[in-house]
Amino acid sequence: GNSVTQMEGPVTLSEEAFLTINCTYTATGYPSLFWYVQYPGEGLQLLLKATKADDKGSNKGFEATYRKETTSFHLEKGSVQVSDSAVYFCALKGNAGGTSYGKLTFGQGTILTVHP
Amino acid sequence: DGGITQSPKYLFRKEGQNVTLSCEQNLNHDAMYWYRQDPGQGLRLIYYSQIVNDFQKGDIAEGYSVSREKKESFPLTVTSAQKNPTAFYLCASSPPNSGNTIYFGEGSWLTVV
Repeated sequence: GNSVTQMEGPVTLSEEAFLTINCTYTATGYPSLFWYVQYPGEGLQLLLKATKADDKGSNKGFEATYRKETTSFHLEKGSVQVSDSAVYFCALKGNAGGTSYGKLTFGQGTILTVHP
Repeated sequence: DGGITQSPKYLFRKEGQNVTLSCEQNLNHDAMYWYRQDPGQGLRLIYYSQIVNDFQKGDIAEGYSVSREKKESFPLTVTSAQKNPTAFYLCASSPPNSGNTIYFGEGSWLTVV
């Protein structure tokens, strides 16, 4: 079945530091890949997505590239801010078997804390 | 504004009681989902529905029930058979394309007392 593995947290950085959160996946076919962010006490918000190999998703300074050869979708940001403190989830939505209503499979989440 | 509305935000349940969590969307999405979130475990799929009057079990459906009588609504009932119901519950919806984004509501906190 499909699975997503994220680097374990928590991750603690100083403001303006470089961020990488690793994400690798196992899936049949050609899944779509997503990063969601969850702020304390809230639901999930889509941060970025990529739907095919070599696509780069980007939003709010965050980027992730869909690497089929390494089955990875690592999240990066060049300079983090205190307001980026949140939980980040990597997820995939499978396309195997012609499923048109994909179900998201999530990683376990990575807690990011950014200090001033 | 379009979106997904979950209610209540916080709910307390006594042992042995059934409770129902509401989820309404005005995005005209066909598919709707219920996820459960526990600390350190990410999100797990409880039930999902592709169209009205149809729904399927997810990975952890035991102790839960749903209905989909209207396109806009997908309520989740947490029954007394659910052994460990204290969790954060998230409702989501998506249009019918495998590449399209799944959108989430703000979540409901359920605590068993």
